[in-house]
Amino acid sequence: EAGVVQSPRYKIIEKKQPVAFWCNPISGHNTLYWYLQNLGQGPELLIRYENEEAVDDSQLPKDRFSAERLKGVDSTLKIQPAELGDSAVYLCASSLGTGNTGELFFGEGSRLTVL
Amino acid sequence: SQKIEQNSEALNIQEGKTATLTCNYTNYSPAYLQWYRQDPGRGPVFLLLIRENEKEKRKERLKVTFDTTLKQSLFHITASQPADSATYLCALDNSNSGYALNFGKGTSLLVTP
Repeated sequence: EAGVVQSPRYKIIEKKQPVAFWCNPISGHNTLYWYLQNLGQGPELLIRYENEEAVDDSQLPKDRFSAERLKGVDSTLKIQPAELGDSAVYLCASSLGTGNTGELFFGEGSRLTVL
Repeated sequence: SQKIEQNSEALNIQEGKTATLTCNYTNYSPAYLQWYRQDPGRGPVFLLLIRENEKEKRKERLKVTFDTTLKQSLFHITASQPADSATYLCALDNSNSGYALNFGKGTSLLVTP
């Protein structure tokens, strides 16, 4: 069974440019998460989806970040415009559902470098 | 404010010894706690989950304890091997945000032959 798939793995852009990351969760997983991980830090939650509904986006900087999960499957995370401080790894994870205390399955991450 | 604290310094141990990693938390009332392993350039991988009413959980060479009075979890790797070298992340459910997991910074473990 395929795991969580993310693309691109690496992206280098200049500041003020837009960037988008894509995530395909494990089939059947209703809950999808986007986390941000800075070097030497743990993952920090940006947004959590239950099916197609964003149920927790309190940590998402909405002035420049946006996310969507159409049809409750794949998800995209967009940054526009990117700033130098956005350089980080963006991790997507999925799980069977909240309230379910099961594990999170993470993708390999998308590493963003903003020049 | 809520905090999840893990040993900030890397832990270096010799092969065959037991590695013990600590996770302390404040202002959380977790229903469960999870441990993940993360290798460089990879996403975290789930290792163990322990519930608030469980004192100890084991899986092969791994053992986790959970003391809700001390607000602490200990993660042990017995008979450590160089392949155990990685960063280990502690994660708690946050009932204030729909039970999404909040992670600590992680502790880097290096096992030398």
